[in-house]
Amino acid sequence: NAGVMQNPRHLVRRRGQEARLRCSPMKGHSHVYWYRQLPEEGLKFMVYLQKENIIDESGMPKERFSAEFPKEGPSILRIQQVVRGDSAAYFCASSPRQAFFGQGTRLTVV
Amino acid sequence: ILNVEQSPQSLHVQEGDSTNFTCSFPSSNFYALHWYRWETAKSPEALFVMTLNGDEKKKGRISATLNTKEGYSYLYIKGSQPEDSATYLCAFSGGGADGLTFGKGTHLIIQP
Repeated sequence: NAGVMQNPRHLVRRRGQEARLRCSPMKGHSHVYWYRQLPEEGLKFMVYLQKENIIDESGMPKERFSAEFPKEGPSILRIQQVVRGDSAAYFCASSPRQAFFGQGTRLTVV
Repeated sequence: ILNVEQSPQSLHVQEGDSTNFTCSFPSSNFYALHWYRWETAKSPEALFVMTLNGDEKKKGRISATLNTKEGYSYLYIKGSQPEDSATYLCAFSGGGADGLTFGKGTHLIIQP
């Protein structure tokens, strides 16, 4: 049973492009959480999803960011029209009983 | 949505000092309380899983206590070192099939 898989590990996008970050939870896990770690800052909660449902998106920026966790396939965090301030490490975790974290995707916007 | 609160949100501590911070959670339908340490640019590390009221767990200079009746857990760090600088997350797990509810974390900075 592989751990939580995030891909890509590193992603470079030009300003204005779209970034898609994928998180494959551990087998049997139906809960996914996304966190963002900005340079020089602590991590920030973004969104909590169950299969096909957003449970808590209180940490998601209102514009350009969206997340989904479809019935089949990985959870996707999508950032449209990226700006330099979106450069960060994005982590996901899956559960139910204990959270297991992925290695993160490092997004760099140039 | 369950309420898991961590305080303080951010904490600056002098190297060598001891410190502690709090996680509060619902006192009903308790299953487990988890602590994680998350250092910048690394994947989070699981510190403790606590299930019994009165539990006390220790890992080196870090320890944690649990009070399920009043709904809080303390994390203690003795003799802080620069490598302790991280965000410390707690997560509550209830008795149903729901997932974990995370706190927003305490961002700890150890100053040399």
